[in-house]
Amino acid sequence: AQSVTQLDSHVSVSEGTPVLLRCNYSSSYSPSLFWYVQHPNKGLQLLLKYTSAATLVKGINGFEAEFKKSETSFHLTKPSAHMSDAAEYFCGGTGGGNKLTFGTGTQLKVEL
Amino acid sequence: SAVISQKPSRDICQRGTSLTIQCQVDSQVTMMFWYRQQPGQSLTLIATANQGSEATYESGFVIDKFPISRPNLTFSTLTVSNMSPEDSSIYLCSVAEGTGSHQPQHFGDGTRLSIL
Repeated sequence: AQSVTQLDSHVSVSEGTPVLLRCNYSSSYSPSLFWYVQHPNKGLQLLLKYTSAATLVKGINGFEAEFKKSETSFHLTKPSAHMSDAAEYFCGGTGGGNKLTFGTGTQLKVEL
Repeated sequence: SAVISQKPSRDICQRGTSLTIQCQVDSQVTMMFWYRQQPGQSLTLIATANQGSEATYESGFVIDKFPISRPNLTFSTLTVSNMSPEDSSIYLCSVAEGTGSHQPQHFGDGTRLSIL
């Protein structure tokens, strides 16, 4: 079975400082993992995906994530936060099928 | 990636009524999905819409409450039937780039539904 856990419901950073959003997974199979962002009144936009190729995945808007099998983690990072990064972020995964399971989301706040 | 259009974008409905949400994709796709996002919550998969056959529903969701149509490879509808305030949610459709589990899903902007 596939499950995804986002460890922080809210993260607050200052503009220009690094962002770290944490995600852990459990899966009976080799998982495919994804990060999505949801801006207010919008659907989910794909930031990046891990599909068992390179463990360090680069996405859009300067985001990247590293798959660490030993830690069952897939944390999302960005070196320098921008005000436009303020949004809800969802980690999701599939494990052996098409069903995408999401974490509970992390609300990112970016302060001046 | 595919462009997904959902209609309506939002609606306010009376309890006991039904609403049909449309999802149109600009290319043919095999896999289409319907999700519910309750206020302040994550996304929960309602069902997978299969072209030419009945939808596959997840535990806790039934066809009588959420009938789904998938007449072709670019279009699907979700009906929320006999609505109650508990159905107030965002309903999103998504499509997968392919059939493998490694294929990401792409989402429409959702339908924001409020039931009075």
